Order: sequence, then structure tokens, then C-alpha cells
Amino acid sequence: AQKVTQAQTEISVVEKEDVTLDCVYETRDTTYYLFWYKQPPSGELVFLIRRNSFDEQNEISGRYSWNFQKSTSSFNFTITASQVVDSAVYFCALSEGVEYGNKLVFGAGTILRVKS
Amino acid sequence: ETGVTQTPRHLVMGMTNKKSLKCEQHLGHNAMYWYKQSAKKPLELMFVYSLEERVENNSVPSRFSPECPNSSHLFLHLHTLQPEDSALYLCASSQDQGFPEAFFGQGTRLTVV
Repeated sequence: AQKVTQAQTEISVVEKEDVTLDCVYETRDTTYYLFWYKQPPSGELVFLIRRNSFDEQNEISGRYSWNFQKSTSSFNFTITASQVVDSAVYFCALSEGVEYGNKLVFGAGTILRVKS
Repeated sequence: ETGVTQTPRHLVMGMTNKKSLKCEQHLGHNAMYWYKQSAKKPLELMFVYSLEERVENNSVPSRFSPECPNSSHLFLHLHTLQPEDSALYLCASSQDQGFPEAFFGQGTRLTVV
């Protein structure tokens, strides 16, 4: 069965520190998608990135970077030089192929607190 | 602004009340979803609509009744709820049911008293 584990319930850092949010997944499919979403205090989930299972290249977008490793079933998210505005709950999610309905399964989330 | 709008943002209702949550998307998407986010629990998918037809109901109690009158609007009708139904209810949409990327609204914070 699909499963997404975010072992870190809460992380606190001081502004300008780098922080890595861990995500480990389990899947029965060879074709799947991985996602990261950010949920600020306002409530909506903001899409950050989608990665398909055939693309293991790491990606960098500004201060955000993602490390996808199929060998360890991990899709970790690093924020470089964190800022107070990065404070939010971050969710990792998995979607398997059409055969399994393309449903998004979310991890429990990691609360990130960035202090000034 | 993700293009998915939910109203109301906050709702307090008694256990005998009937209320409805509304979701509207202006993205031209064909699939819409209701999720429930309870404290200390992962997001739970409740309902999936594709082209205005319900394609999935994840064992949700009948006191929650969805309605999708057209591809831009989704409702969640609530009646005789329980206090444990208090949660953040999130609406999402995607291009099609088979397209995995979803865009979320800001949610309705529901408190049942």
C-alpha cells in the first residue's frame, strides 16, 4: 500500500540556517509522482514541486532544493538560508499511477518554525 | 491565490444544524476533491468528482453529502454532525482525475459544538 512518512513532527531553526525536511515513501507501483506542498497559517496548500519516478535529477529553485533517491525511497526537501516567511507546515505526498486512481496520499506533515 | 476559492472560511455549527460548504474553481479543471484535515492526522481524501460525476467516496459517513452541479462548483452539505467532525475541510481541483497535480483552496475551518 502507499505510505508517506515524515518522521520530523516539528523543526525549529534560526533565520539563515539551512534546514532539511525528510520524506520516505512506500509504493507498489513503478510509475508514481512525488510532491511537496506548503501550508502557511492561512490554510491553503501551496504546490511546491512535482517529481515523477523516472526523473531522479535533483532540482533547485531559488532557496529550495529537492533530493530524490529511489534507492532509499526518499524525497527530501532543503531550504537554504531559511526566512521567517518559510514558517509553515510542509507536506510530502505520493500519487501512484492511473491504475491506482492517481490519488494523492499525504504524509503527516512537518511543522517548520523559523525564528528571527 | 491558487484559483480555488472556498466559502465560508470559518463555520461554527450545532449538531442539529444543516450547513453547506462551497468550493469554486476558475482553472478549467475537470476534477474536484474534498479533503478533511484533522489535528495531528494526515489529510484524508473524502470525495472525488470527475466531469461532475462522483468517482470515489472514501467510506465517508452519510452526514456528509457532496454535490457537483457543474465542473466549476463543488458543495459539501453537512447535517447532524458530531464534534469529532470539527476540522479543516479543503477543496482541490486538478486538470483531470488522472492528472496528479492538485490545486487547493484555503479551506473552511469547521467547528461543531
